[in-house]
Amino acid sequence: SQQGEEDPQALSIQEGENATMNCSYKTSINNLQWYRQNSGRGLVHLILIRSNEREKHSGRLRVTLDTSKKSSSLLITASRAADTASYFCAPGDSWGKLQFGAGTQVVVTP
Amino acid sequence: GAGVSQSPRYKVAKRGQDVALRCDPISGHVSLFWYQQALGQGPEFLTYFQNEAQLDKSGLPSDRFFAERPEGSVSTLKIQRTQQEDSAVYLCASSLELGQPQHFGDGTRLSIL
Repeated sequence: SQQGEEDPQALSIQEGENATMNCSYKTSINNLQWYRQNSGRGLVHLILIRSNEREKHSGRLRVTLDTSKKSSSLLITASRAADTASYFCAPGDSWGKLQFGAGTQVVVTP
Repeated sequence: GAGVSQSPRYKVAKRGQDVALRCDPISGHVSLFWYQQALGQGPEFLTYFQNEAQLDKSGLPSDRFFAERPEGSVSTLKIQRTQQEDSAVYLCASSLELGQPQHFGDGTRLSIL
């Protein structure tokens, strides 16, 4: 299955700390995307990394991709209470079809 | 600019009733996706469209589920003879083209009594 699997399932940190979560998948991909979801809301796209890229940055976010290990990581630096959310990775095929995992629930306490 | 709009926001129906969920994608977005999200889980792919063409409906759980996008814009997800296991949040997303980031609506929370 192309479904992403996030690890850990839950993460609790204090404001200012960094948060790292990992994603593994099983088949070849065209790209891998990370999304955030606040409770009761839809998903918000964070970053897309293509299969020929190894690292990408966007603000306080850093994403890595290792296609040989079929894994990706998302790092949030200097976390804030507003970063509290569920984070999902989604391996994408060339058609744009995304298969989400169960997500990592991140809680940032002030 | 408006984002993806879904209606109704909440829907309660009795088991056996038919329901219709609406999605208004971002104007100009060619691709449209439907997902089902159970509590505490990630979204599960249901189906997607490129304009009015339904390219993949492999995720639809049963033949009681039907989706359409007749004019390549607004889409409707219909569930016939609803069952309790259909209770979930149904999310719609659109993207400019296939393979581009998806923009999600806030979903319709469906409860079947």
